[in-house]
Amino acid sequence: QKEVEQNSGPLSVPEGAIASLNCTYSDRGSQSFFWYRQYSGKSPELIMSIYSNGDKEDGRFTAQLNKASQYVSLLIRDSQPSDSATYLCAVIPASKIIFGSGTRLSIRP
Amino acid sequence: DTGVSQDPRHKITKRGQNVTFRCDPISEHNRLYWYRQTLGQGPEFLTYFQNEAQLEKSRLLSDRFSAERPKGSFSTLEIQRTEQGDSAMYLCASTGDRGAYEQYFGPGTRLTVT
Repeated sequence: QKEVEQNSGPLSVPEGAIASLNCTYSDRGSQSFFWYRQYSGKSPELIMSIYSNGDKEDGRFTAQLNKASQYVSLLIRDSQPSDSATYLCAVIPASKIIFGSGTRLSIRP
Repeated sequence: DTGVSQDPRHKITKRGQNVTFRCDPISEHNRLYWYRQTLGQGPEFLTYFQNEAQLEKSRLLSDRFSAERPKGSFSTLEIQRTEQGDSAMYLCASTGDRGAYEQYFGPGTRLTVT
């Protein structure tokens, strides 16, 4: 079992809709969770961090954490073509960060 | 520009040659990380420094790889006797004591071994 699992996609969402990205992790002791956005050929860019159960909102982005289910999600409201990218879920179970393989999101006009 | 910088951005080398990459972190950040990323995968942890101390190395990091951060500022990653399997994007990230491991990445160095 991978430490951090994501559906590779591609996930195709119409412009203006809500994109929902999911991630599960294996280490129950993990305390810190992140979402990074990565455009093709570029480096990852931090967009959200979450440390407590529940929802955290920042603009069009909402991160959701459920530690009991070992599940993290990212919602993107009012999806824009510029949101088309790969979204990486990352978890810190100990001293280093573990990344998932990413979900490719495509926003169609 | 006060972000993380990496040099060079691209490197093409022949198998068997040595290469060295440099990373300059955000100036107030004391933790520096190196990752390797191949197509379709997330970044894989290689090693990290707190100030000048190298605190952890991945089992992925063979003896051909070495990293330094001599004065707790910039860091170098050297790969000796490169192999075609070393072709990847090498990413550097930094974070401070605060911010709970929120890491900020540099633009990466893309290595191609021919």
